[in-house]
Amino acid sequence: RKEVEQDPGPFNVPEGATVAFNCTYSNSASQSFFWYRQDCRKEPKLLMSVYSSGNEDGRFTAQLNRASQYISLLIRDSKLSDSATYLCVVNTGSGGYNKLIFGAGTRLAVHP
Amino acid sequence: DTAVSQTPKYLVTQMGNDKSIKCEQNLGHDTMYWYKQDSKKFLKIMFSYNNKELIINETVPNRFSPKSPDKAHLNLHINSLELGDSAVYFCASSLSSLGLAETTGELFFGEGSRLTVL
Repeated sequence: RKEVEQDPGPFNVPEGATVAFNCTYSNSASQSFFWYRQDCRKEPKLLMSVYSSGNEDGRFTAQLNRASQYISLLIRDSKLSDSATYLCVVNTGSGGYNKLIFGAGTRLAVHP
Repeated sequence: DTAVSQTPKYLVTQMGNDKSIKCEQNLGHDTMYWYKQDSKKFLKIMFSYNNKELIINETVPNRFSPKSPDKAHLNLHINSLELGDSAVYFCASSLSSLGLAETTGELFFGEGSRLTVL
């Protein structure tokens, strides 16, 4: 079983749609969680951290369910510029060191 | 002024050759990483260094040898290149490897080095 699993997509949605991505992780000792975004042929960049109580950043909402080892990302009012691959990232580090494990990513294509 | 810079950006070479990729960060970070992204876009951690010390070595073949001359540089040397080594190699840095708080989870990636082995 992969350490971080995501639906690869692609998700093809019209502008203005709401879309949700899910992610599960296998290491119950994981401490911190993130969503990264990667544009085609570019490097990944941090989109947002995921806090235990859930958090929102503009049109983006992230949720964490530790009991189910499940993370989600909701994008409201999709824009063309949201088209990218969204990477679920889990920090499985121990002994005081970070070890960020990336999911394979979910591709989003927003069309006019 | 690029925060994490890698050279070369593209590398095409023959099987069996030896090649190096260099990485430098000017963010003052303590920790640097190498990740490999294969043709299926799966981004996999290879190594991490904290202040020049090797912290993570993810069962990478010993043909891959990272070197960190100082905390701002992490180079990757690959011996006897194989077809399966073709991938994009990303260097990254983070503020600190110590601590698991949400704020230390931000990795700053270089633009990647696309290696093609023929």
